[in-house]
Amino acid sequence: EDQVTQSPEALRLQEGESSSLNCSYTVSGLRGLFWYRQDPGKGPEFLFTLYSAGEEKEKERLKATLTKKESFLHITAPKPEDSATYLCAVQEGGGFKTIFGAGTRLFVKA
Amino acid sequence: DVKVTQSSRYLVKRTGEKVFLECVQDMDHENMFWYRQDPGLGLRLIYFSYDVKMKEKGDIPEGYSVSREKKERFSLILESASTNQTSMYLCASSTPGGSDTQYFGPGTRLTVL
Repeated sequence: EDQVTQSPEALRLQEGESSSLNCSYTVSGLRGLFWYRQDPGKGPEFLFTLYSAGEEKEKERLKATLTKKESFLHITAPKPEDSATYLCAVQEGGGFKTIFGAGTRLFVKA
Repeated sequence: DVKVTQSSRYLVKRTGEKVFLECVQDMDHENMFWYRQDPGLGLRLIYFSYDVKMKEKGDIPEGYSVSREKKERFSLILESASTNQTSMYLCASSTPGGSDTQYFGPGTRLTVL
């Protein structure tokens, strides 16, 4: 069965304390892996799409990487405004369905 | 920028009422989606549409129906609302191709009393 597992469920950091969020997946033929940010009470906001192992993408303090079985979202020197839930999702080749992980809630304290 | 809008941010309805949730996208996307999001369960796909008047069931279609009469508009209908349909409803759109990234609306928080 196709699955997406995110860890940890919640992460508390001090401002400036770098860390990584993990997304492990099992699908037969990855078409794309997506990262979203979601603030409380709002819809997910698109961050990155990764297509193949070895690919990396960056945006401000965020960097997403992809291997054959997992993706990492690295957060460098986070700020309180980075506090949000980060969602990972995968799409299998040949289908329309996107499978979402449960998310990692990130709290950054000043 | 892609813009997906939803008709209401908050909605309160009574059990048994018929409920319409509207979603509009302005980027000429072919694909549109309705999800519900519940704590601990993540996003679950209710229905998907890949063209006008075309629809596919997602993982949890029971108790819901959809309508897509125009490319930019996708409606979710709760025929007879029940308390277990209290949730956050999210609409998304995407265009098929290499990216297939889904862009989400702000969500509708529906409470059924």
